[in-house]
Amino acid sequence: AQKVTQAQTEISVVEKEDVTLDCVYETRDTTYYLFWYKQPPSGELVFLIRRNSFDEQNEISGRYSWNFQKSTSSFNFTITASQVVDSAVYFCALRIGFQKLVFGTGTRLLVSP
Amino acid sequence: DTGVSQNPRHKITKRGQNVTFRCDPISEHNRLYWYRQTLGQGPEFLTYFQNEAQLEKSRLLSDRFSAERPKGSFSTLEIQRTEQGDSAMYLCASSTGQGKDTEAFFGQGTRLTVV
Repeated sequence: AQKVTQAQTEISVVEKEDVTLDCVYETRDTTYYLFWYKQPPSGELVFLIRRNSFDEQNEISGRYSWNFQKSTSSFNFTITASQVVDSAVYFCALRIGFQKLVFGTGTRLLVSP
Repeated sequence: DTGVSQNPRHKITKRGQNVTFRCDPISEHNRLYWYRQTLGQGPEFLTYFQNEAQLEKSRLLSDRFSAERPKGSFSTLEIQRTEQGDSAMYLCASSTGQGKDTEAFFGQGTRLTVV
């Protein structure tokens, strides 16, 4: 069975602080895909990144960076110099092949001015 | 076409009534998914279409739920004899069928409240 755990329910930071959102996944498959989505108050899930299990290179996109470590089954997400607009719920998700996404319970990030 | 479109955005219904939601995927996306999200939880998979074929259904999808995707374009999700436990956000997503290195794009959802 596949499972995604986001242990941090809510994180509060002050603007310009760095923040890391943790994601731990479980699967017995050797080929899988990991995702991060952002859900602002409007409700739409916004795609942020996709990673396949064979690509452990870390990725940076502007203020966002992702650290994928198969050894610890983790796919953590860091926001550098956080901004108020980053306030949202962030979901980590796992997909096997073409099948459904399995989501974690999400981490609510509150960035205050 | 700028994204996945869902209608209505909000629906309030009395217990026992039937409701139907519509999802228009991104053009040329042949995969379409329905998810349900309750407060404080991540989305949970309900069902999946490739073109017009419904290929997978979750155990969450009771007999009161039915989904269709005629002609492989838009999709509808119907809930019959609604119950208060059906209150949730219903999310639709679509993706291309070109290989596995693809991501699903989500609509803004339909929030259902059963009173």
